[in-house]
Formats: sequence, C-alpha cells, structure tokens
Amino acid sequence: AQSVTQPDIHITVSEGASLELRCNYSYGATPYLFWYVQSPGQGLQLLLKYFSGDTLVQGIKGFEAEFKRSQSSFNLRKPSVHWSDAAEYFCAVVPPGGYQKVTFGTGTKLQVIP
Amino acid sequence: NAGVTQTPKFQVLKTGQSMTLQCAQDMNHNSMYWYRQDPGMGLRLIYYSASEGTTDKGEVPNGYNVSRLNKREFSLRLESAAPSQTSVYFCASSDSGSGADTQYFGPGTRLTVL
Repeated sequence: AQSVTQPDIHITVSEGASLELRCNYSYGATPYLFWYVQSPGQGLQLLLKYFSGDTLVQGIKGFEAEFKRSQSSFNLRKPSVHWSDAAEYFCAVVPPGGYQKVTFGTGTKLQVIP
Repeated sequence: NAGVTQTPKFQVLKTGQSMTLQCAQDMNHNSMYWYRQDPGMGLRLIYYSASEGTTDKGEVPNGYNVSRLNKREFSLRLESAAPSQTSVYFCASSDSGSGADTQYFGPGTRLTVL
C-alpha cells in the first residue's frame, strides 16, 4: 500500500541549532512531495514542494528539502532554527499524475528551547 | 483577501445532534477539500470537490455529507454526530485539483461531540 512515514513524533532542538525532519514514502514511482507547517491553532501552510528536477528544493522561512530517490526520502532541513519555528510539520505526497488525493504523514512536532 | 475562512471556530454538540460546518474561499479556486485532524493520525480527507457541481468521497466519508454551494463555498454536514467525530476539521482549496497544486487551508473548526 502507498504510504508516507514521519518516524519522529516529537523533536526538541536548541535555538540556533540545525534541524532535520525525516520523511519516507512508499510508492511505485516518485510522487509529488510537499512539506507543510502548522503553527499552534492555525491551518497548514506550504513550506516547499518537489515534482522533478533539482533534488534540493528551497522553500519559505529558510527551509530546504532534499529528495533522495534511492532512499525514498524527502527530508526537511534548516541550518539555524529560530524560536518561531516551533510548530508541527507534515510531509505530504500525491501519486504521480494523481489528482486531489493528498496523503499526509502523521506529523512531527518541533519544540525549540532557548 | 481573506483566503480560506471557516465557521464556526469551536462547537460542542451532543450525540445525535446535527450541524453544518461552513467554508468559503476568495481565491477563485476550482477545487475544495474537507479534512479531519486527529492526534497521531495527521490529516485525513473526508470529501473533496474537484469543481463546482461535483463532489467525491475521500478516505473517511462515513457520517458526513457535503455540498458545493457555488465556486466559493463548500459545506460539511454531520447529520447525527457521534463522539468519534470529535476532531479538528480543516477546509482547503486549490487552483485546479492537480496533484502538483498547493492546497490553502483555513484555520480549522474544533468540534467536540459529547
């Protein structure tokens, strides 16, 4: 079955430290890949997305993600975390050529400590 | 430009009561979606509307009905609420419904069924 996995439920990092959030997918072909962020009490906002081409994708708020076909992964990174990055992060996938049917991961909650 | 708006923000129902969650977007998007978010389960698609006049079931449609009233508005109805429908409900919209589209989310409705 097609699926997307975020293995880390909760991550704590110090402000200024680097961050990597993991996302793995299981599809027959490379899906469309997304990272969304949800601040407390709010809806989701797109950080970045990947369809094809350059495997390193830049997004908003200083985030980037790298697609690795061999590992079926699309990990989210940030070189230096700010306190305002504390939120929940969702990886999402859509089958290639797919319409409408976005599958979200279960989310990773990021805590930033001073 | 308000984006995607949802009403109400909070609601408490008793088992068996009915209610309608309202959603509107002002981005002239063709596709609209209803999700529910439960702890540890990410977002799951309830229903979607690819375009005005069409609706389709998502992953968890049981107990819900939807109406695409016009291009702007997409409502979700619970005919006979059950405690299992306690959740946070998000409405989203996208331009064409293509898998490559970004989805834009409303702020959510927190529903408790007693």
